[in-house]
Amino acid sequence: GENVEQHPSTLSVQEGDSAVIKCTYSDSASNYFPWYKQELGKRPQLIIDIRSNVGEKKDQRIAVTLNKTAKHFSLHITETQPEDSAVYFCAANNDYKLSFGAGTTVTVRA
Amino acid sequence: SAVISQKPSRDICQRGTSLTIQCQVDSQVTMMFWYRQQPGQSLTLIATANQGSEATYESGFVIDKFPISRPNLTFSTLTVSNMSPEDSSIYLCSVVLVGRDNQPQHFGDGTRLSIL
Repeated sequence: GENVEQHPSTLSVQEGDSAVIKCTYSDSASNYFPWYKQELGKRPQLIIDIRSNVGEKKDQRIAVTLNKTAKHFSLHITETQPEDSAVYFCAANNDYKLSFGAGTTVTVRA
Repeated sequence: SAVISQKPSRDICQRGTSLTIQCQVDSQVTMMFWYRQQPGQSLTLIATANQGSEATYESGFVIDKFPISRPNLTFSTLTVSNMSPEDSSIYLCSVVLVGRDNQPQHFGDGTRLSIL
């Protein structure tokens, strides 16, 4: 099955700085890579996703890059704001299912 | 986007009892899944809820412990049976909407379960 590793486990950034979270996956057949944001006590919410026929995708302050050869993908948040503080999960598909990384707790310091 | 309702939102149960969690979606969906999220941990897939047939369970999860029903396209239940303190977790359903080619998954608010 698919194995997804995520780093770092915690990330503290100054407001306005950028945050980068990296994930690697094991199954070369994976072709879909979503990112979820989970605020304390809330549901995981999809914030951006990328498919394997695309190398980069951007949505306002959030971008995701994918390197299929190296089997890794990254989430980039620019101009971080206090409301970006949350746990972020990467995932990769295994056929129709998703395998999740362990999560990154992001804290944005005012 | 769809509204995914889970009931109950939380419960405190005695060990040895069972609890059934409901997941209702207001749109047509193709796939429904049940996850467990233990405190401070990631999401672990329990099973895929199949309409009109037995659910497909992941390694480490069995039907006797986590029976699942899905009588129609928009509704599913997960039962946590013979509960012990180790079952204290958040249980989440997720769905894939019709026409989205198996992805993405959208999550319900979850059921926070505590076992005494």
